[in-house]
Amino acid sequence: ETGVTQSPTHLIKTRGQQVTLRCSSQSGHNTVSWYQQALGQGPQFIFQYYREEENGRGNFPPRFSGLQFPNYSSELNVNALELDDSALYLCASSSGQGATEAFFGQGTRLTVV
Amino acid sequence: QQPVQSPQAVILREGEDAVINCSSSKALYSVHWYRQKHGEAPIFLMILLKGGEQKGHDKISASFNEKKQQSSLYLTASQLSYSGTYFCGTVRGGAQKLVFGQGTRLTINP
Repeated sequence: ETGVTQSPTHLIKTRGQQVTLRCSSQSGHNTVSWYQQALGQGPQFIFQYYREEENGRGNFPPRFSGLQFPNYSSELNVNALELDDSALYLCASSSGQGATEAFFGQGTRLTVV
Repeated sequence: QQPVQSPQAVILREGEDAVINCSSSKALYSVHWYRQKHGEAPIFLMILLKGGEQKGHDKISASFNEKKQQSSLYLTASQLSYSGTYFCGTVRGGAQKLVFGQGTRLTINP
């Protein structure tokens, strides 16, 4: 196990609602990245947080937002949920940016109905 | 820009070898390899940083070519536990994000 924990593990929401997903990074890691993984696809980068600041963003609309706390845990917030937001959301923690090993949590399976 | 992985799927018998390739149109800062089993999180395998680098552990190894645009993952004498989807993730210089390929599904049969 990697020491990266995510909650909840599964979630069902209605279109238009808002959701918050949580990630506790591995001890000693100051960087958290969030990914969206659709069925049968590779993880798609949403954004990265380094020492509480957003530090890189993928091609996701502003209704995807995040936060990193002083203990380096992180939240992913998605507003105005759409059916296409249904996916596995993964967070990965690392001790630096880009060139270091990233360890993934088990993910949160979000279903939007 | 998403790296291109090939092949998309491989079916092997236990004990056979496999090679999975990952290509980018531009030079990369680093390449990361992960394996993901169905319903589980991706598991980190290794990272390559230098052109011409080769590294590995057990019977899984990888290389990064001199131009740093292609990496290959080698699985030797495959075991049933090697089954899963393999992803390469790439980082380009100046960018912080790890961009994943579309994955290669590896099935090992007894």
